Amino acid sequence: EAEVAQSPRYKITEKSQAVAFWCDPISGHATLYWYRQILGQGPELLVQFQDESVVDDSQLPKDRFSAERLKGVDSTLKIQPAELGDSAMYLCASSLRTGSPSYNEQFFGPGTRLTVL
Amino acid sequence: AQSVAQPEDQVNVAEGNPLTVKCTYSVSGNPYLFWYVQYPNRGLQFLLKYITGDNLVKGSYGFEAEFNKSQTSFHLKKPSALVSDSALYFCAVSLNSGYSTLTFGKGTMLLVSP
Repeated sequence: EAEVAQSPRYKITEKSQAVAFWCDPISGHATLYWYRQILGQGPELLVQFQDESVVDDSQLPKDRFSAERLKGVDSTLKIQPAELGDSAMYLCASSLRTGSPSYNEQFFGPGTRLTVL
Repeated sequence: AQSVAQPEDQVNVAEGNPLTVKCTYSVSGNPYLFWYVQYPNRGLQFLLKYITGDNLVKGSYGFEAEFNKSQTSFHLKKPSALVSDSALYFCAVSLNSGYSTLTFGKGTMLLVSP
């Protein structure tokens, strides 16, 4: 069964350092999402790509966060510099191209748990 | 703005008994509604969705959910709970247009006792 791949699974860093997370969506999925999930809360969308284009990054803290999906396949989310409040689970998800992205179910990767010390 | 409320932080049920996990939503228009489940240290897994049509939606692992437009609810149900159903359940809503984003509730922990 195809899965969304993410790496690393766990990352510990010190504040002010740079971190990067990688996501490889299910083959053929045009839409890719990055979410942040704080403990005890539901996932919150950071950025949404359709192929290589950003369609929603309204909740992405652009002063320190950046995301790219250069060839419309895998994606990288970067934080520089990391702050204590960035400690969370970072989830990547993908969904099919056909139809409206708003009703296609999303397939989630296992996530990257980030701890900022 | 769209939002989801899951009023219970935790639901406890004995194995073999029916379970209900509650969800209400707010959206300016017709909603798409989803349920996802999350096991410890794992990503979310899709359970079921309501797009249009029959108000009773059947999904994976014997779960079902009923869309009630007048009460703006989409409660998750299962006739007979299993210990293995113990997990964190999330309700989510999006607007039925274009690239509307998915908004999640805060989650409800389901604990099924043997």
